[in-house]
Amino acid sequence: AQRVTQPEKLLSVFKGAPVELKCNYSYSGSPELFWYVQYSRQRLQLLLRHISRESIKGFTADLNKGETSFHLKKPFAQEEDSAMYYCALRSWNQGGKLIFGQGTELSVKP
Amino acid sequence: DGGITQSPKYLFRKEGQNVTLSCEQNLNHDAMYWYRQDPGQGLRLIYYSQIVNDFQKGDIAEGYSVSREKKESFPLTVTSAQKNPTAFYLCASSRSGTPDAFFGQGTRLTVV
Repeated sequence: AQRVTQPEKLLSVFKGAPVELKCNYSYSGSPELFWYVQYSRQRLQLLLRHISRESIKGFTADLNKGETSFHLKKPFAQEEDSAMYYCALRSWNQGGKLIFGQGTELSVKP
Repeated sequence: DGGITQSPKYLFRKEGQNVTLSCEQNLNHDAMYWYRQDPGQGLRLIYYSQIVNDFQKGDIAEGYSVSREKKESFPLTVTSAQKNPTAFYLCASSRSGTPDAFFGQGTRLTVV
């Protein structure tokens, strides 16, 4: 079964603290994984994709096939990082649909 | 200004009525998708379309219908058969063969 799991509904940290949003997946084959972010009153938008190995807004995510994980990390959280974060897996058997996790709300306190 | 537009932003429906949510894109994307977003459940796929005049059911298609008569448009009808229609609905589009999905602002539907 293809599935994405984000075990934390809410993650609350103080400004300047490190952040790690967890994502585990289940997929037979070579996975294509993404992180999407939804800031308050804004549309859901792509944050980063594993294939690019990029760092966006200080966030990075490494695909660990052994642990089937794609955790999102940032060394020093900022208040403007407060948002809803969704991990997603691209499925090739339904039109390239994205399979989303349940989402994690990140709250960065001053 | 390229993008994907959903309307209306808020929609109220009486029980037993059908209602249609609009989704228009001017990105020249072939693929379009409808997702439903519920608290604690993430986003779930309702319907998708990879090409004009063709669409497929997603994971939770019961009680919904779509059409794809034009490349730019992919309206979703929530029928009276949908048992729990109150939700936030998101439309997305992507170019065929690419993974990036662009999302609309969403429509919040409330059944009263």
